[in-house]
Amino acid sequence: GAVVSQHPSWVICKSGTSVKIECRSLDFQATTMFWYRQFPKQSLMLMATSNEGSKATYEQGVEKDKFLINHASLTLSTLTVTSAHPEDSSFYICSASGAGSSYEQYFGPGTRLTVT
Amino acid sequence: RKEVEQDPGPFNVPEGATVAFNCTYSNSASQSFFWYRQDCRKEPKLLMSVYSSGNEDGRFTAQLNRASQYISLLIRDSKLSDSATYLCAVSPFSGGYNKLIFGAGTRLAVHP
Repeated sequence: GAVVSQHPSWVICKSGTSVKIECRSLDFQATTMFWYRQFPKQSLMLMATSNEGSKATYEQGVEKDKFLINHASLTLSTLTVTSAHPEDSSFYICSASGAGSSYEQYFGPGTRLTVT
Repeated sequence: RKEVEQDPGPFNVPEGATVAFNCTYSNSASQSFFWYRQDCRKEPKLLMSVYSSGNEDGRFTAQLNRASQYISLLIRDSKLSDSATYLCAVSPFSGGYNKLIFGAGTRLAVHP
């Protein structure tokens, strides 16, 4: 089946620093990648949708200058949390979708970010 | 009103029980529907897609009611390993992107 990896799996950083999270589709070309955030006991909230070679589309309420998304190739998308604050501590999950009309998304294992 | 709503539970059931979850969605133009399973601190894993005609996979049966805008998941003969949070997801298919809107999840705890 389709495999999506994320790196790092967990990260602790100091307030004010930036953190980059990578999302890779290992065995298929991902034309679209999605970034979600999940706070404890809450659902996955879509942050943004990115298509390879295009600017990301952000959901309402998500600051595009704070959460920088780059989808430079068909197998890699990155999310950079800039000037992180403790309230950015969360579980960040990416998913990838291949070409065609399939709605199936393949999820990465997630990255747990803790900002101190 | 949330786009996708679920009863958070928890549903505490004994092994062997049958349990059903419902999920309602507000966008009548929604195109695709899914049930995901999420274990604690893990990513969601696709359990099954939900089709208009309903579909079954072993002990799991999913149904879609477009008129009432809800989807359901039935689990028969519950196992301890079924304990997890079950998320429903709906795709509004807006702008050509197949984004998913998730419900908050229903927690299931199966006990011996």
